Amino acid sequence: RKEVEQDPGPFNVPEGATVAFNCTYSNSASQSFFWYRQDCRKEPKLLMSVYSSGNEDGRFTAQLNRASQYISLLIRDSKLSDSATYLCTGGADGLTFGKGTHLIIQP
Amino acid sequence: EPEVTQTPSHQVTQMGQEVILRCVPISNHLYFYWYRQILGQKVEFLVSFYNNEISEKSEIFDDQFSVERPDGSNFTLKIRSTKLEDSAMYFCASNGQGNYEQYFGPGTRLTVT
Repeated sequence: RKEVEQDPGPFNVPEGATVAFNCTYSNSASQSFFWYRQDCRKEPKLLMSVYSSGNEDGRFTAQLNRASQYISLLIRDSKLSDSATYLCTGGADGLTFGKGTHLIIQP
Repeated sequence: EPEVTQTPSHQVTQMGQEVILRCVPISNHLYFYWYRQILGQKVEFLVSFYNNEISEKSEIFDDQFSVERPDGSNFTLKIRSTKLEDSAMYFCASNGQGNYEQYFGPGTRLTVT
């Protein structure tokens, strides 16, 4: 099972700022990619799917670059409630997760 | 909004005992999964299940583990003889036909003493 690599952070960002996360994956057979957020000791919650054409949902934009095996997430106008760990994941059946990037939004 | 449910929320067991973790996936979903997360580590895939059989399993999912869908709603993970290193959060997930988005349950915290 191949790996997904993420910068663990923490990213300390002031409220209202824009923040970007990246992740790389090594399994070219992966068909689907997602960003999940995980709060402390809680389950991963699906944030958004990631497509080559890009995917935007409100303040969140995700992008997939299959040639570079690279996935990104952009959060605009960050809120205190965005503080969490963001998990990059992909797979063809069972998902392979990265270790997550810890984001702290500061007031 | 439909959700995946899991019971119990916390299970404490002694080393060598058998445990069964239970999940009720979202009702119209057809694909079911178990993952685990050891404290402070990443979420790890264990097994996927479709059409009443295992479709993929990881190297973690050895002979001590088994899964079952005993009826139309429950999906269970059994650990035959627990070890200290089985202590972790166990998450169940499901997704529907033609949709790869997996939805996770709240997890069962397993503590092996």
